[in-house]
Formats: sequence, C-alpha cells, structure tokens
Amino acid sequence: DAGVTQSPTHLIKTRGQQVTLRCSPKSGHDTVSWYQQALGQGPQFIFQYYEEEERQRGNFPDRFSGHQFPNYSSELNVNALLLGDSALYLCASSLAGRAFDEQYFGPGTRLTVT
Amino acid sequence: ILNVEQSPQSLHVQEGDSTNFTCSFPSSNFYALHWYRWETAKSPEALFVMTLNGDEKKKGRISATLNTKEGYSYLYIKGSQPEDSATYLCAPRGAGNMLTFGGGTRLMVKP
Repeated sequence: DAGVTQSPTHLIKTRGQQVTLRCSPKSGHDTVSWYQQALGQGPQFIFQYYEEEERQRGNFPDRFSGHQFPNYSSELNVNALLLGDSALYLCASSLAGRAFDEQYFGPGTRLTVT
Repeated sequence: ILNVEQSPQSLHVQEGDSTNFTCSFPSSNFYALHWYRWETAKSPEALFVMTLNGDEKKKGRISATLNTKEGYSYLYIKGSQPEDSATYLCAPRGAGNMLTFGGGTRLMVKP
C-alpha cells in the first residue's frame, strides 16, 4: 500500500520563475491538501482539491494555483516566484466524507528561490 | 481557527524522563484535534485524532487528552526514549478539512 509520494524532493529556482510540484495520494484516498512550511513555523494550509476542484483555500495569493487529475494526483503551481516562497511544501491526502480520519502526509518538496 | 499555540517550543530531557506538551486553540468552530509526530527528513506521522471533550487517547507510551471547552490538549510521553526525539505538532480542524498547525514542540531525548 503506497503512501503519499511527492516529487521532486528538492528544487532550486530563480525569482520570477514558475514551479510545479507533484503529489500522488495514498491508495484509496481522493482528497489532496497542500501546505507550506516556512523555516521555524508550522505548516500553513494552501488549498485542498476534491473531485478535481479547489474546495477550500487558505490565505495565499493567486500566484499559488493547483490542479487535481482524474487519478486523484495533484499539482501545485507557483508563478512569479519570490524569495519568500522558499519553504518545504507538503502534500496530504485523505478520504472525503471521513471527517475524523487522519490526513496522511508526504515527505515534502524543498523549494529554494534564489 | 487562527491562533494555535504550542508550548514549550523546545524541550531537552534525559532518557527515561516523562514529559508533556501543551496545545492551545480557540474553542469556537472546533471539529477535531490532530497530533502529529515529525522526525527530521521524514513525513509527519499521525498520532491521534481527537474529537470529544474529555477524550483521552493512548498509543504505547504516548497519550493525549482534550478539553474543547477551554481549548487545550496535552500530549504526554512516559519514559522518553531517544527515538522519541522529533517535533510534535498539533492541528485543530475547523469546518471543512483544513488543519491549522501550531509551531510545534521540538523534543530532544538524550541517552
């Protein structure tokens, strides 16, 4: 039973560039959430995807966008990168309708913006 | 749910010591409280999901209690071991499936 996987593991980009991060949910899960963890802080919720639509969004600008595919995998896109976007990006999966179930996290993608 | 406080920020204990951490959160609009254990270079690992006031959960030497009326949860580790060294995160969940994480408590257990 595969857990949550993310790619790439590490990424270095330049200010102004665009980046795409990928996530495959745990087998059997249909909901994907994305979180940003800046150094020294807890993860912050970016948005959640279910049925290929964004269902909920945290306090992040429109430069952050996402997509969910029919196989439930998801992408996080960040445009016009800023130095402050440097962080660990975590993906979590869960099953819709199971309100009190755990969310399972991937190992994250470390993004460095120079 | 906006303001989630965890204390202490970090903790150094000797092997065999028992320890506890606190998670404080606004008690309104509360649905569940998640605890995660996060070792360096690994994925956050779910420990507990707690929903009811007075709830108490246990997994081996780790246990947690929840007070939804006053907005806090305690995590206890009995007889800490070096492998317990990790960051412990709490995350209340409001409407929807959004988790709001605290800053975490970093535990270091010295052999």
